Amino acid sequence: ETGVTQTPRHLVMGMTNKKSLKCEQHLGHNAMYWYKQSAKKPLELMFVYSLEERVENNSVPSRFSPECPNSSHLFLHLHTLQPEDSALYLCASSQGLGRTEAFFGQGTRLTVV
Amino acid sequence: GQQLNQSPQSMFIQEGEDVSMNCTSSSIFNTWLWYKQDPGEGPVLLIALYKAGELTSNGRLTAQFGITRKDSFLNISASIPSDVGIYFCAGRADDYKLSFGAGTTVTVRA
Repeated sequence: ETGVTQTPRHLVMGMTNKKSLKCEQHLGHNAMYWYKQSAKKPLELMFVYSLEERVENNSVPSRFSPECPNSSHLFLHLHTLQPEDSALYLCASSQGLGRTEAFFGQGTRLTVV
Repeated sequence: GQQLNQSPQSMFIQEGEDVSMNCTSSSIFNTWLWYKQDPGEGPVLLIALYKAGELTSNGRLTAQFGITRKDSFLNISASIPSDVGIYFCAGRADDYKLSFGAGTTVTVRA
């Protein structure tokens, strides 16, 4: 199995839908991250969890709701999104915050219609 | 995060060429990282730099941590077709947060 696995790989949703993105890491890491990647723009850090506690919430709209039930799993719950939320959403994990480098998943390509 | 300026924004390579890209910051970093992202994939870490002046290689890739701690460059020697992709720099100051550049898109010259 790959280190960080994200599902689904692609998602198309309407603005009134509710969906969830899932991330699972098999590396024994204790920190997990959600990033948003839009075309031609730097990766934007959205949320950070360390030991299942949220330590960062980077002014992200409330239509994005993260959940970290254990150190191996991270979810991003989506509801009433806007077309400008269409992007690649990347999950990453690391052993500790800032002590070792993060491994990224393959991302979920989200399209909001 | 901090604003990183990565250049060039895009480049064309011909097989066998050496290519170079760089990243600058307005503030000092303690760590510089270089990632590569292939289409439909997540970024993969290529090289990590932790000390000013450090020069590190990974195969045909070489990266340096600038002496001022505000810049870094990545060289690819003798490029091959599989070098195409998007290369990102990232920097970290005192905390855990990474600031990313906007990427350099490398494509093969026809």
